Amino acid sequence: AQKVTQAQTEISVVEKEDVTLDCVYETRDTTYYLFWYKQPPSGELVFLIRRNSFDEQNEISGRYSWNFQKSTSSFNFTITASQVVDSAVYFCALKAAGNKLTFGGGTRVLVKP
Amino acid sequence: NAGVTQTPKFRVLKTGQSMTLLCAQDMNHEYMYWYRQDPGMGLRLIHYSVGEGTTAKGEVPDGYNVSRLKKQNFLLGLESAAPSQTSVYFCASSFWGVTQETQYFGPGTRLLVL
Repeated sequence: AQKVTQAQTEISVVEKEDVTLDCVYETRDTTYYLFWYKQPPSGELVFLIRRNSFDEQNEISGRYSWNFQKSTSSFNFTITASQVVDSAVYFCALKAAGNKLTFGGGTRVLVKP
Repeated sequence: NAGVTQTPKFRVLKTGQSMTLLCAQDMNHEYMYWYRQDPGMGLRLIHYSVGEGTTAKGEVPDGYNVSRLKKQNFLLGLESAAPSQTSVYFCASSFWGVTQETQYFGPGTRLLVL
């Protein structure tokens, strides 16, 4: 069975602070993909990043960075110098064998000016 | 290129009424999916389709039916709505269902069943 846990339900920060979102996953498959999606207040789901189980190289994209560690089954997401526009719910998701994308419960990020 | 679109955006139903949610994609994707989103539970897969004319059950299929008569459309039906089906419904699509494929989501349909 696959499972994704986002232990933080809500994080509140002041603009320009860094914020790290935790994601822990469970799967027995050796080949799998991890995703992060952003859901802004408007409600749509926006794809942010996809990483495969064979590539543990960390990635940086602008103010976003991702830390993938197979040893701890974690795929954490950091927003550097947060902005009000970063306020959203962020979902971590796992796709292993089969057609199912398993989502975590989401972390709501509130960035205050 | 509109991506994935959903109709309607919002609907209120009375218990026992029926309705159909429409999902359309213009990306020539083979796979399409219906999810529901409930507070604190992330998204859960209802049904999916691996191609025109095919459908399969997901994690929470009870109370829903689907049809994929055309490659670009995926319909989700509620034959007799129940308050437990109050949720936000998202449609998604991807080229293939293989592990590495990214699913792209529509804007969602908010459904309230009274």
